[in-house]
Amino acid sequence: AQSVTQLGSHVSVSEGALVLLRCNYSSSVPPYLFWYVQYPNQGLQLLLKYTSAATLVKGINGFEAEFKKSETSFHLTKPSAHMSDAAEYFCAVSDRGYGGSQGNLIFGKGTKLSVKP
Amino acid sequence: DAGVTQSPTHLIKTRGQQVTLRCSPKSGHDTVSWYQQALGQGPQFIFQYYEEEERQRGNFPDRFSGHQFPNYSSELNVNALLLGDSALYLCASSPASRAETQYFGPGTRLLVL
Repeated sequence: AQSVTQLGSHVSVSEGALVLLRCNYSSSVPPYLFWYVQYPNQGLQLLLKYTSAATLVKGINGFEAEFKKSETSFHLTKPSAHMSDAAEYFCAVSDRGYGGSQGNLIFGKGTKLSVKP
Repeated sequence: DAGVTQSPTHLIKTRGQQVTLRCSPKSGHDTVSWYQQALGQGPQFIFQYYEEEERQRGNFPDRFSGHQFPNYSSELNVNALLLGDSALYLCASSPASRAETQYFGPGTRLLVL
């Protein structure tokens, strides 16, 4: 069964510092991987996705993530944090299934990012 | 282009009651998935609808049921509400050809007293 582990329920960085949010996955087949962001009292917004093309994926708002099969990781990074990045971030995996993805997303428990001025 | 919309935004019910939540998918999307997000947790998959049929189901009891209409909109019904059903219910839509890429609505926050 697939699963996602996000290391660190809370991460705090200073404005302008590097953001690193960790995600490890477990999947029996090459997965699709996603990062979503959730602002308070809102739904989820897709930041980026990995679907077996380039292993370094660029997303919106300056975020990027690298798929490392040997480490079963898909960590999210941003070179310079901005106050507006403060939110909760979720890593998710979707099994490809037969004939393509089944479309069932399995989420981690989330990492709350705080940005200090 | 309107995104995924959900109604109502908030709802308060008492134990044992029934509730219906509604979702309109993003234009051009024909697949709708529902998720439950308890406080402090990641979303959990409830089920997915395509062509008016339940295509996949997560580990939720039969009290949770759904429906998809010909215009691709969807409803989530929960019967015999329990206190533990209090959560944010999220709807996500996707095109069938790329069902893994899901776009989420703002959610309906359900409080069961």
